[in-house]
Amino acid sequence: EAQVTQNPRYLITVTGKKLTVTCSQNMNHEYMSWYRQDPGLGLRQIYYSMNVEVTDKGDVPEGYKVSRKEKRNFPLILESPSPNQTSLYFCASSLITGPEQYFGPGTRLTVT
Amino acid sequence: ELKVEQNPLFLSMQEGKNYTIYCNYSTTSDRLYWYRQDPGKSLESLFVLLSNGAVKQEGRLMASLDTKARLSTLHITAAVHDLSATYFCAVIRNQGAQKLVFGQGTRLTINP
Repeated sequence: EAQVTQNPRYLITVTGKKLTVTCSQNMNHEYMSWYRQDPGLGLRQIYYSMNVEVTDKGDVPEGYKVSRKEKRNFPLILESPSPNQTSLYFCASSLITGPEQYFGPGTRLTVT
Repeated sequence: ELKVEQNPLFLSMQEGKNYTIYCNYSTTSDRLYWYRQDPGKSLESLFVLLSNGAVKQEGRLMASLDTKARLSTLHITAAVHDLSATYFCAVIRNQGAQKLVFGQGTRLTINP
């Protein structure tokens, strides 16, 4: 089954404790992206990757890191999480030509 | 800077009625997406509109795109309770990079 998976689905952590949210797709997509969703703001792009070892900032990259060492995986790293990073996070993937984008199930992160 | 605005942001309607959600965007783009999101769930793709004048229909939902007016509409016909959800439109900012910019979302509640 074609899908995008994220882990963990739920995470409660404390300020400053490094964490990684994994994202994996099995569709051989070149393009992968991370979004955060906050009430009233829709989804905003954090980082994206157009292929292995090619990443770039989205609209709200501060406080986040990514890497793309393999085509199928695109982890999101929070080196020192802060409460303002409490949010719902989605990973998405697509072919570089589009048009369809596939979203993961989401990761709800709470930073206290 | 590409901005996407939806209206209304909240919509409460009765079953059997018709209504339209509007999505305006600020700069040229010829690809527009509509997504549905149920509470606590991921985004479900409804429509991808690829050209001016495109119209797509699925059940009680119909979406259209006017690239000259930078406007898309999502029309709901004879609403039923199962259509209660939050609806997002999104526009490609950079086609080569598949970068989506989302509207704020329209929370639709359909009352029996």
